[in-house]
Amino acid sequence: QVQLVESGGGVVQPGRSLRLSCAASGFTFSSYGMHWVRQAPGKGLEWVAVIWYDGSNKYYADSVKGRFTISRDNSKNTLYLQMNSLRAEDTAVYYCARERGLGVVVTAMGYWGQGTLVTVSS
Amino acid sequence: DIQMTQSPSSLSASVGDRVTITCQASQDISNYLNWYQQKPGKAPKLLIYDASNLETGVPSRFSGSGSGTDFTFTISSLQPEDIATYYCQQYDNLPTFGGGTKVEIK
Repeated sequence: QVQLVESGGGVVQPGRSLRLSCAASGFTFSSYGMHWVRQAPGKGLEWVAVIWYDGSNKYYADSVKGRFTISRDNSKNTLYLQMNSLRAEDTAVYYCARERGLGVVVTAMGYWGQGTLVTVSS
Repeated sequence: DIQMTQSPSSLSASVGDRVTITCQASQDISNYLNWYQQKPGKAPKLLIYDASNLETGVPSRFSGSGSGTDFTFTISSLQPEDIATYYCQQYDNLPTFGGGTKVEIK
């Protein structure tokens, strides 16, 4: 069955960097677009970034553009989110999510990981 | 950016009640609209895609309708296990979510 397992969260000081990973299994990773979505404590969902199944296109929310980079290694079935210049407002649970449909990108997020908590605090 | 306005932000209903949530887009998004359920401490789960299509395995008491700018999500007979926060999400452009509707049992 589809499994997405995030890791790499933790406590980090403002201005520092962190890299999140999402290990995928149970499906052909290289055939699906992938997203990062975050949720600040007690708040709603915020889409962060998307990457095409082959890594050819990447798009970001304005709130993270220029600071975060989404990438993937299809040989390792792993999605990444490199987060630089972190701010207090980046504190959130970060979820990776798989597109519902094969090959298509930016439609529905059909499968989600359990999330990893990032806390930005001095 | 396309803004999604969800209402109400919370509601309380009895078991067996019909529950309706609305989502309004700031511009025409055709049927590019999904609905998710998030239970406390859990990841979101896709319930409805393309405005009205029920995801595999989702109970038929859940339904969605609408197109253009106005969308509706309905639980035909509220069950105790439906206690959750529900979100709409558009994908006409880069994804944006509505603010969520917290559903509680009266």
